[in-house]
Amino acid sequence: AQKITQTQPGMFVQEKEAVTLDCTYDTSDPSYGLFWYKQPSSGEMIFLIYQGSYDQQNATEGRYSLNFQKARKSANLVISASQLGDSAMYFCAMSPMDTGRRALTFGSGTRLQVQP
Amino acid sequence: DVKVTQSSRYLVKRTGEKVFLECVQDMDHENMFWYRQDPGLGLRLIYFSYDVKMKEKGDIPEGYSVSREKKERFSLILESASTNQTSMYLCASIVGQGIAFFGQGTRLTVV
Repeated sequence: AQKITQTQPGMFVQEKEAVTLDCTYDTSDPSYGLFWYKQPSSGEMIFLIYQGSYDQQNATEGRYSLNFQKARKSANLVISASQLGDSAMYFCAMSPMDTGRRALTFGSGTRLQVQP
Repeated sequence: DVKVTQSSRYLVKRTGEKVFLECVQDMDHENMFWYRQDPGLGLRLIYFSYDVKMKEKGDIPEGYSVSREKKERFSLILESASTNQTSMYLCASIVGQGIAFFGQGTRLTVV
């Protein structure tokens, strides 16, 4: 079984500052993927970034980076230079990789509010 | 562009009714999912399917069933709708490493 824990229900950040959203996970799968999604108030789910469990380097996508610490089972999302448009719900998710049965499990989410 | 389409954006049903939520994807994806989203609880997996006619229970399958007769279509069925099934329902399919593409969601109200 997989479990994702996001302990920050809400976060505030000033525009142009960096913010870290926490995510810890638990799994018995030897190979897995970790994901972050953004859900603005419009409701659509937007894929942000992916990290494979065997990837040596932390993933980066523009202003998003994933701080992956395998021993700690954490996969925190770092958003640099926050913008007002970053205000949204953010979900951490994971999926096993070495099986065709790819259950994708999400955390409870963090609501980020960027203040001007 | 991958497209995942849910049949209804808003739905109001009466307690005890049988409800069908339909989801269609156009990219030949093997894995499809149904989630419900409730404030403070995130997305909880109801059922997923990894192939035609193959399905597995997720974390909260009680009160729901699913059908996947064709690869592109994954249906969620509420056999007898109850008020505690009032929620936002999201369908998704995944590709490659597991990047998920979501439908627009169906907000179901059971009265």
